[in-house]
Amino acid sequence: EIVMTQSPVTLSVSPGERATLSCRASQTVSTNLAWYQQKPGQAPRLLIYSASTRATGIPARFSGSGSGRDFTLTINSLQSEDFAVYYCQQYYNWPPRNTFGQGTKLEIK
Amino acid sequence: EVHLVESGGGLVQPGGSLRLSCAASEFTFDIYAMSWVRQAPGKGLEWVSSISGSGNTTNYGDPVLDRFTISRDNSRNMVILQMNSLRADDTAIYYCAKQIGKLGGAFDHWGQGTLVTVSS
Repeated sequence: EIVMTQSPVTLSVSPGERATLSCRASQTVSTNLAWYQQKPGQAPRLLIYSASTRATGIPARFSGSGSGRDFTLTINSLQSEDFAVYYCQQYYNWPPRNTFGQGTKLEIK
Repeated sequence: EVHLVESGGGLVQPGGSLRLSCAASEFTFDIYAMSWVRQAPGKGLEWVSSISGSGNTTNYGDPVLDRFTISRDNSRNMVILQMNSLRADDTAIYYCAKQIGKLGGAFDHWGQGTLVTVSS
């Protein structure tokens, strides 16, 4: 069973600054890692897959990095619409017992 | 543009059943795996079940194993989740999600969700 742990639980950042979100897997997931953004009352939206590939239509200020167990989502020049909850997801082990991290809430400082 | 529309949610008593549907359009449906992902009120995302593009391979999360059944009708571009023996902890928004690959992978498109409430 692979457990995904995100940190921090809550991140407070000012608009225009950079946000760095982390995701750690309990064992290697290679680059089978995705990031999602979810705003209140909305469905999640895929941002990044294969650890570093931006999904269609995702702005370049979003970037993903990492492999193996440790991953990072970086959001440069935060805009008001970026404040949301972010989830990482592994799909290396499928079907998964756990696939999503618990989420990081990015809030306005 | 890929479009996924869920239906079938509602209020059901514990022990009851519900059938969720997901209508898909604007992509070659039978190529891609599809999943149901749920989110309990105020909680995170939880994968529920997935089905391969052909429909030959199905998988379930432990909490729903032996109670839920996923199926698909590739002639009608639909995915179905039959939910039996429902419990209070099944209360959640259920999202239909398209996966990137034939057998699995990231969820690249999501429906708007349908709310299931299990309560007496």
